[in-house]
Amino acid sequence: QKEVEQNSGPLSVPEGAIASLNCTYSDRGSQSFFWYRQYSGKSPELIMSIYSNGDKEDGRFTAQLNKASQYVSLLIRDSQPSDSATYLCAVNAGGFKTIFGAGTRLFVKA
Amino acid sequence: NAGVMQNPRHLVRRRGQEARLRCSPMKGHSHVYWYRQLPEEGLKFMVYLQKENIIDESGMPKERFSAEFPKEGPSILRIQQVVRGDSAAYFCASSPRPTERANYGYTFGSGTRLTVV
Repeated sequence: QKEVEQNSGPLSVPEGAIASLNCTYSDRGSQSFFWYRQYSGKSPELIMSIYSNGDKEDGRFTAQLNKASQYVSLLIRDSQPSDSATYLCAVNAGGFKTIFGAGTRLFVKA
Repeated sequence: NAGVMQNPRHLVRRRGQEARLRCSPMKGHSHVYWYRQLPEEGLKFMVYLQKENIIDESGMPKERFSAEFPKEGPSILRIQQVVRGDSAAYFCASSPRPTERANYGYTFGSGTRLTVV
């Protein structure tokens, strides 16, 4: 059973702090990794994709991938109240199906 | 350039009725995926389709659920004889054609919230 595990949270950080979200996956053959943001009652929105070991930065977001440890993370710098949402980690093992974690709820306190 | 279009946004059905959920992929995307999300849970894969082909339906319940993506028109997820446990948000996503080395991220539609009463 291929799995993607995330801490459900909630993770609470003060405005302006760095939020760190973590994810582990079970399939060593996984090739594509994604972070989605989902506001309450809304659909998921792709915010980051990463395919190689290391860091990938996009604005205030940094995705980190370590395939040896089967670990992917998302850092949000200068967190804003508008970043409060559920963050879904998603992994694809090269087939046609992307597996999603259950999500981590993030609260950014003003 | 319209994104992924799903309708209806909300659907209420009585137990035993049929539910039909529609999804039109983003322009230029030929791959459609259906996911189900129960309250406070993650997205569960149901089915992956291309035009006129079901590629992977490993997440579909064996009974009452079916999906299609005809040559013309939207993809349809059909649930027959609905039960209360079918109440959930159903999301459709589309993507460009996956390559051997990378699978592109999805663009999701706004979802259909199905309530069975």
